[in-house]
Amino acid sequence: GAGVSQTPSNKVTEKGKYVELRCDPISGHTALYWYRQSLGQGPEFLIYFQGTGAADDSGLPNDRFFAVRPEGSVSTLKIQRTERGDSAVYLCASSRDTNEQFFGPGTRLTVL
Amino acid sequence: AQTVTQSQPEMSVQEAETVTLSCTYDTSESNYYLFWYKQPPSRQMILVIRQEAYKQQNATENRFSVNFQKAAKSFSLKISDSQLGDTAMYFCAFMKSPAGGTSYGKLTFGQGTILTVHP
Repeated sequence: GAGVSQTPSNKVTEKGKYVELRCDPISGHTALYWYRQSLGQGPEFLIYFQGTGAADDSGLPNDRFFAVRPEGSVSTLKIQRTERGDSAVYLCASSRDTNEQFFGPGTRLTVL
Repeated sequence: AQTVTQSQPEMSVQEAETVTLSCTYDTSESNYYLFWYKQPPSRQMILVIRQEAYKQQNATENRFSVNFQKAAKSFSLKISDSQLGDTAMYFCAFMKSPAGGTSYGKLTFGQGTILTVHP
């Protein structure tokens, strides 16, 4: 079956702009996770959803970052007033009834 | 808070030989899970092996095995008969045992080790 997909694969934006990153989890997976990976580093947790609700958003760095999952499937990570320090690969993962998380290929965000 | 440390930024090994990647972690939790993930240049993170902290027996998956030392908070990965396709970044990760009987929780990753397998 299809894996986790993320769009776009690459996004270049200018400082101060708004961006949306989309994640399509594996069908039927109830948990969805967002991580951020800076160059040469391990991924850092941002937020995760069980169903439609955010079960843990402790990793969101500030109020410019927001994520939604309105129907319990697709999720969108929204970043307002982007800064150069937001440049990173944003990874999405999903899981169902297991602690194994299945990752997507990521979206590389570059803020100029 | 949990921390995961991988002290080897880069490792290399000859094809068909064995290599061990190190990982240590710090936690006050008694129940947790440990994972090794592989990230090839394509960026897709893939689970290699996992270990439940309550199990004393070390996990094994084909050519991959771990040496889990709970008291020392150490969790190393051994790759036997290395193959060119094993070339990737390897991450050690920690998950606290979730409350409420669920299987969901955030992963805390180490900094990664770049492994290169030479022909």
